[in-house]
Amino acid sequence: DGGITQSPKYLFRKEGQNVTLSCEQNLNHDAMYWYRQDPGQGLRLIYYSQIVNDFQKGDIAEGYSVSREKKESFPLTVTSAQKNPTAFYLCASRKGFSAFFGQGTRLTVV
Amino acid sequence: AQTVTQSQPEMSVQEAETVTLSCTYDTSENNYYLFWYKQPPSRQMILVIRQEAYKQQNATENRFSVNFQKAAKSFSLKISDSQLGDTAMYFCAFMKHGGKLIFGQGTELSVKP
Repeated sequence: DGGITQSPKYLFRKEGQNVTLSCEQNLNHDAMYWYRQDPGQGLRLIYYSQIVNDFQKGDIAEGYSVSREKKESFPLTVTSAQKNPTAFYLCASRKGFSAFFGQGTRLTVV
Repeated sequence: AQTVTQSQPEMSVQEAETVTLSCTYDTSENNYYLFWYKQPPSRQMILVIRQEAYKQQNATENRFSVNFQKAAKSFSLKISDSQLGDTAMYFCAFMKHGGKLIFGQGTELSVKP
């Protein structure tokens, strides 16, 4: 089945550690996106990529990094520089004007 | 920069009645797309309806329809015959052609029996 997969569903991180969230799609979509969702703030764009080996910062890129070495994969690294990383993270992919979302990763800093 | 504003943080409606969710956006683009997404408690994002800005006719999907007012930069969602399963967070979103997908803050809709 075609789709977009995020893993893991729940992730716990100790303060000061980097952590990488996985996002894989087999829809042959060119564009991929990472969003952060906090209560009352909707979805805020962290990074997006229109093609392989290229990506742009969104509205809240500080403390995050991404790579796009393969069309299918767009991993997000939450670095220790991100001061408040506890949130729900959503990945999406898009072709034309059809966007599909993964099921999200809940990251908690302990 | 484009922005999307949903001015109703919470709304409620009785089952079988009609409710309208508001959305306004700001852009200087002429060619763009607008969307409404539903996020139920499972947190899975589900596309409800979409509208291409160059189309004057309002999009309709079963019980869901939009009122697209391009000059006013308004894109409201009407849900007819509301059902308990419509209870969810609803997000309005904007995308210019080939660009990033930007969301509003969301409206939490409760459908009451």
